[in-house]
Amino acid sequence: GAGVSQSPRYKVAKRGQDVALRCDPISGHVSLFWYQQALGQGPEFLTYFQNEAQLDKSGLPSDRFFAERPEGSVSTLKIQRTQQEDSAVYLCASSLKSAGSTDTQYFGPGTRLTVL
Amino acid sequence: AQKVTQAQTEISVVEKEDVTLDCVYETRDTTYYLFWYKQPPSGELVFLIRRNSFDEQNEISGRYSWNFQKSTSSFNFTITASQVVDSAVYFCALSEAGNNRLAFGKGNQVVVIP
Repeated sequence: GAGVSQSPRYKVAKRGQDVALRCDPISGHVSLFWYQQALGQGPEFLTYFQNEAQLDKSGLPSDRFFAERPEGSVSTLKIQRTQQEDSAVYLCASSLKSAGSTDTQYFGPGTRLTVL
Repeated sequence: AQKVTQAQTEISVVEKEDVTLDCVYETRDTTYYLFWYKQPPSGELVFLIRRNSFDEQNEISGRYSWNFQKSTSSFNFTITASQVVDSAVYFCALSEAGNNRLAFGKGNQVVVIP
């Protein structure tokens, strides 16, 4: 079946622009996660949804970062007034089960954001 | 707080050699989960294995094997008879029960030379 998909795959933004990154999880997966991966580093947790509820946003680096999943399926990560330090790969993952039951997360191909 | 350490950054091996990747983790929880993911040049993280803290059995899957030792807080990964297709970055990750986020190590870049 289809895996996690993300769009766009590559995004170049000028400093100060707003960007929106999309994630389509595996059909039927309850949980959805966003991670940020800087060059040469491991992914870092940003935020987590169970269905449409955002249960953990403790990893969002600033109030310029905002995520939503209004219908419990597709999610969008929005970054306002982008800065050069926001340049990274943004990874989305989904898992079948809900909170309280740690399940395997399956990742999408990521969106590489470059802020000039 | 959960933490994963992968000390080796880049490892180069000649094809058909074995390579072992070390992973040391820290957690205060008694229930936790350990993972290995592969990230090829295409960028997508590919799931390899998941173990829970109560299952210390070693596992073998084809040329891949994993050695889980709670006494040393380690979950090491061995690729036997490496192939060029094994060239990738490999990440070890930890998730504590009730906290679904994954804490990743910095990764091991494996380069298999033909």
